[in-house]
Amino acid sequence: DTGVSQDPRHKITKRGQNVTFRCDPISEHNRLYWYRQTLGQGPEFLTYFQNEAQLEKSRLLSDRFSAERPKGSFSTLEIQRTEQGDSAMYLCASSLVGITYNEQFFGPGTRLTVL
Amino acid sequence: KQEVTQIPAALSVPEGENLVLNCSFTDSAIYNLQWFRQDPGKGLTSLLLIQSSQREQTSGRLNASLDKSSGRSTLYIAASQPGDSATYLCADNAGNMLTFGGGTRLMVKP
Repeated sequence: DTGVSQDPRHKITKRGQNVTFRCDPISEHNRLYWYRQTLGQGPEFLTYFQNEAQLEKSRLLSDRFSAERPKGSFSTLEIQRTEQGDSAMYLCASSLVGITYNEQFFGPGTRLTVL
Repeated sequence: KQEVTQIPAALSVPEGENLVLNCSFTDSAIYNLQWFRQDPGKGLTSLLLIQSSQREQTSGRLNASLDKSSGRSTLYIAASQPGDSATYLCADNAGNMLTFGGGTRLMVKP
């Protein structure tokens, strides 16, 4: 399977714990994006990387959130001191800039439940 | 700031019907318009991408149009099937991010 993969698929944690999610993009894609989706809503942009550089962050990405893409391949999204409001589906997408009109392809998502 | 709206939020049709899903956006300086399908609890599947210089794209029973001057895009589904039941999302693909509408939840009844 050469699509976008995310791990874990589901995460249940207690309020105040830290969690980390991983995303592996399509191998030749140079851009990687993170989105958050709550029930019944469309996804909201959080941040994106071009290669290893984090180029933009949404104001939704509070200080408790940090994302990395250390070698320009996979990415991690960490949430520190989780709150119940962090419960959502976290989606990762990737794209190849310059050839495919930046069409974004999504992974299956990580569903986070904060108790 | 771009705002994307999809109406209706939910739609139920009998199998075989042709249907149109609507997407409107406030900023006509749209880069590309992308349509997605999302099954319950799953990620998004890209259906069609319309470049800003194009007016429509077709894939199988799906046809998407883009009218930048009126700030609208439509997704036409021909001869709907129960397997088409899902949430359909449109998004302004601005290059660095997608701005999504809230989606239309489609139910096709056998």
